[in-house]
Amino acid sequence: DAGVTQSPTHLIKTRGQQVTLRCSPKSGHDTVSWYQQALGQGPQFIFQYYEEEERQRGNFPDRFSGHQFPNYSSELNVNALLLGDSALYLCASRDTGSEQFFGPGTRLTVL
Amino acid sequence: GQNIDQPTEMTATEGAIVQINCTYQTSGFNGLFWYQQHAGEAPTFLSYNVLDGLEEKGRFSSFLSRSKGYSYLLLKELQMKDSASYLCAVRGGATNKLIFGTGTLLAVQP
Repeated sequence: DAGVTQSPTHLIKTRGQQVTLRCSPKSGHDTVSWYQQALGQGPQFIFQYYEEEERQRGNFPDRFSGHQFPNYSSELNVNALLLGDSALYLCASRDTGSEQFFGPGTRLTVL
Repeated sequence: GQNIDQPTEMTATEGAIVQINCTYQTSGFNGLFWYQQHAGEAPTFLSYNVLDGLEEKGRFSSFLSRSKGYSYLLLKELQMKDSASYLCAVRGGATNKLIFGTGTLLAVQP
């Protein structure tokens, strides 16, 4: 079991660009959540996908969008990047149980 | 709204016991989680409490009091590798999403 995987590991972009981050959930998991974690802070909930639909959303602007595919994998898209978008982006998956498993994260740097 | 408070930093000695507190205010409650996060790594699950009382798991225990909006994580027989950030997270509210505190950075000294 590979657990939750994310790609890429690191990414450097410039202001105004767009970025797509990818996540494959743990085997058997159908619910994927995305979090943004700034340095020295706890993860902030962005949104959650289940059955290919966005089910819940945190306090993030529309520049942040996502998608879930039939195989439960997910993408996070961020448009018009700002310097403040620099953070560790975490994907977490779960099934009907309570425990969420986190992926290793994607470190995004916006210059 | 929802609010989670935990100390920013703590220091403890190898072999000792440390208690990390977490208080929360949520419009609903569906469980409290503790995660461990080493620098540059993803959070890893430590414990889950949904009912009042103590849950023990090896060297780690977690306590919950729903009426007080309070939890603590107890780490016994501290080891150097326990130096990490410890995140308290609550699932609650109308959306049932997971809300994290800012984390407590624990430094274990020899």
